[in-house]
Amino acid sequence: DAGVIQSPRHEVTEMGQEVTLRCKPISGHDYLFWYRQTMMQGLELLVYFNNKAVMDDSGMPKDRFSAKMPNASFSTLKIQPSEPRDSAVYFCASSSESGQGSNYGYTFGSGTRLTVV
Amino acid sequence: AQSVTQLDSQVPVFEEAPVELRCNYSSSVSVYLFWYVQYPNQGLQLLLKYLSGSTLVKGINGFEAEFNKSQTSFHLRKPSVHISDTAEYFCAVIRGYGGATNKLIFGTGTLLAVQP
Repeated sequence: DAGVIQSPRHEVTEMGQEVTLRCKPISGHDYLFWYRQTMMQGLELLVYFNNKAVMDDSGMPKDRFSAKMPNASFSTLKIQPSEPRDSAVYFCASSSESGQGSNYGYTFGSGTRLTVV
Repeated sequence: AQSVTQLDSQVPVFEEAPVELRCNYSSSVSVYLFWYVQYPNQGLQLLLKYLSGSTLVKGINGFEAEFNKSQTSFHLRKPSVHISDTAEYFCAVIRGYGGATNKLIFGTGTLLAVQP
């Protein structure tokens, strides 16, 4: 398996523009998570899905952020309009509730480094 | 609610010396515990995890951690560090399987700085 795949790896955009981050989870994983990492706040959970349904989006600023998972193999995190304070590294991770025992755990993608100027 | 506390933001250590990175958690139910490593400009890599069973867990790169339920700790140790171990280390917790939530909550991280 290729692991969790995120795109793009780097994104530089101007304030006010729309930004879309993409994630392909590991095949068969039924949980997908979006995290944001900044120096000030560390790793924050923004939103997570179970079987494509949003389970918890309490960490996501809802006025400008939206997350979707239209099918089991693809998710997007959209920011509109983007602001300089959104500059961070965004990680996607997936896991399997059914993968108990030694296989249980999260697998993270390589992240998208977003810079809003 | 559950939370994770990493007591040291930075740990400097000389090469080939032993190291311990501290992690304490708070939870009213059973938990799964994890240590992740993040090398500069890279993603998070799983070092080791405690799910159940033996309280001493061995991971990759010679690291190990011990789950101590009475002290609610999960400290990470390595008997002899290398320069290549320089990275940020994150402790994380998730409520045990069967709970209504499956969120992985991270500590603030500890920067391990190995000096020659």
